Amino acid sequence: KQEVTQIPAALSVPEGENLVLNCSFTDSAIYNLQWFRQDPGKGLTSLLLIQSSQREQTSGRLNASLDKSSGRSTLYIAASQPGDSATYLCAVRGDTDKLIFGTGTRLQVFP
Amino acid sequence: DAGVTQSPTHLIKTRGQQVTLRCSPKSGHDTVSWYQQALGQGPQFIFQYYEEEERQRGNFPDRFSGHQFPNYSSELNVNALLLGDSALYLCASSYPPSAASGYTFGSGTRLTVV
Repeated sequence: KQEVTQIPAALSVPEGENLVLNCSFTDSAIYNLQWFRQDPGKGLTSLLLIQSSQREQTSGRLNASLDKSSGRSTLYIAASQPGDSATYLCAVRGDTDKLIFGTGTRLQVFP
Repeated sequence: DAGVTQSPTHLIKTRGQQVTLRCSPKSGHDTVSWYQQALGQGPQFIFQYYEEEERQRGNFPDRFSGHQFPNYSSELNVNALLLGDSALYLCASSYPPSAASGYTFGSGTRLTVV
């Protein structure tokens, strides 16, 4: 059974810091891994999708890496801003075609 | 290009009542999945619809049922509501599975059972 874990559970940092959020999964047989952002009480916004054959994806200040063999992904946020404050969720998609989510990392960036 | 649309945004129901939530998928997507997200938790998979059939189901009781229409839109029905059903219900749409296809989520319906 696939299990996804995210650490840390919460993070509070001053503006400008570079951040690393971690995601681990127990079954390496995945199609892809998606990182999402969720603002309080809102839906999920897809940030990055990494296919199982890829090592990383980049979008602006965000970079996500995937090490499928070790069951790990990291989301790197460069030069964090207060507007980055949100919960970040990672989810893996396997051959059952459903997403298995971690419990998220709640990020607060203060000015 | 409209994304995933869910209605209503918020809903308050009494224990024992029934509720119907609605979802319109992103244009071009034919698969709709429903997730339940309790406060402080990651979303949990309820079920998935493709070609108007329930293709797979998560660990949810039969009180949770759904439907997909020919235009790919979907409904989630919950009968005999319990206080524990209070959550954010998320709809997601996608193409058939491939490594390159991701899910697009709606803004969710916040259900409160009192």
